[in-house]
Amino acid sequence: EPEVTQTPSHQVTQMGQEVILRCVPISNHLYFYWYRQILGQKVEFLVSFYNNEISEKSEIFDDQFSVERPDGSNFTLKIRSTKLEDSAMYFCASSKRASGSTDTQYFGPGTRLTVL
Amino acid sequence: KQEVTQIPAALSVPEGENLVLNCSFTDSAIYNLQWFRQDPGKGLTSLLLIQSSQREQTSGRLNASLDKSSGRSTLYIAASQPGDSATYLCAPSNFGNEKLTFGTGTRLTIIP
Repeated sequence: EPEVTQTPSHQVTQMGQEVILRCVPISNHLYFYWYRQILGQKVEFLVSFYNNEISEKSEIFDDQFSVERPDGSNFTLKIRSTKLEDSAMYFCASSKRASGSTDTQYFGPGTRLTVL
Repeated sequence: KQEVTQIPAALSVPEGENLVLNCSFTDSAIYNLQWFRQDPGKGLTSLLLIQSSQREQTSGRLNASLDKSSGRSTLYIAASQPGDSATYLCAPSNFGNEKLTFGTGTRLTIIP
């Protein structure tokens, strides 16, 4: 069964460094998302992406964050200058959202980001 | 702004029992609602999606119900098994956007 994959599974970085988290959504899906979960807290929406542009973003998704679909398969989240409070599990998700299909969002296994 | 509450926060039941997990949301203008399970340190596995026009959705031993007008959804698990132990999350999405709003979850432990 197709699944969303994410790399790396764990990333450790120094405060102020740039990180890129990578995701490969399910191949025929059209909508892509990033969520994050700080340890012990709720899963929070960051951004949704469709047709090569951001369709919605949360107040968390400030100028330090950016997303890109550099080719036909990858979807990336970049954090330009990491802060301690960016330490969290980052989840990528995708959904089909084509006419006549369900809108189930399928999540990847996550990347644990630790900022020191 | 959508707010999602799940009660109880934790639940322990003996194996074989049927159980109900509750989810309430403040904005009833939802498009659909998904139930997920999350194992410790892992990703989210989608269990069921229930559209706003539906009242129930079933998958195996799981049954989700939706009462949009009262802002409630329940997840019924029949004949619980130790492998059902996980945190269960509900997440509605609202009309006009695709984002899911998550509750804090119910941590379920099935005692063998």
